[in-house]
Amino acid sequence: LAKTTQPISMDSYEGQEVNITCSHNNIATNDYITWYQQFPSQGPRFIIQGYKTKVTNEVASLFIPADRKSSTLSLPRVSLSDTAVYYCLVDAGDISTGNQFYFGTGTSLTVIP
Amino acid sequence: DSGVTQTPKHLITATGQRVTLRCSPRSGDLSVYWYQQSLDQGLQFLIQYYNGEERAKGNILERFSAQQFPDLHSELNLSSLELGDSALYFCASSVGLASDTQYFGPGTRLTVL
Repeated sequence: LAKTTQPISMDSYEGQEVNITCSHNNIATNDYITWYQQFPSQGPRFIIQGYKTKVTNEVASLFIPADRKSSTLSLPRVSLSDTAVYYCLVDAGDISTGNQFYFGTGTSLTVIP
Repeated sequence: DSGVTQTPKHLITATGQRVTLRCSPRSGDLSVYWYQQSLDQGLQFLIQYYNGEERAKGNILERFSAQQFPDLHSELNLSSLELGDSALYFCASSVGLASDTQYFGPGTRLTVL
């Protein structure tokens, strides 16, 4: 069971870099980690995905250490519009039940002017 | 806009009733996933279908069932509804099976009175 936990909330000033960590103590080598952004009453929106080391796209970076017990979403130079809840999702293979998908508890990010 | 559509947007019903939620995946996507989001349980994976066949089951109650039709749209049926079933229900779709990025629809808000 890939239990995933995140800090409940974070505050940051505009223009700063924000790092949000997801702990997943029991994931397999090929389990993917995906990060989503969610605004109130909307569906989660894809940010970034990876399964090892570092991945970067135009909006974020994802760092996964060698032990894979955690992953960190890095948002460079946040703006007020980045105020949202951020979730990690672990895509875990399971021979008996097929892939299982475990969302983290979510981190509410507030960006302060 | 993720390209995933869900209907209806809101649904209000009484305990003991049965409802059907509908999801149309992004063009070209073969996998459909259903999730429940509630305040106390967070985002929970319910079930996945791939090209018409059930591929993985998560925390789906026996009172709930789903199917994916030949045109790839999916329906989630919730029966013998209880107050605790009130939640946001999200559908997501992806191109293939494991490790593909899931794109979420806007959700259906179910209120059971």
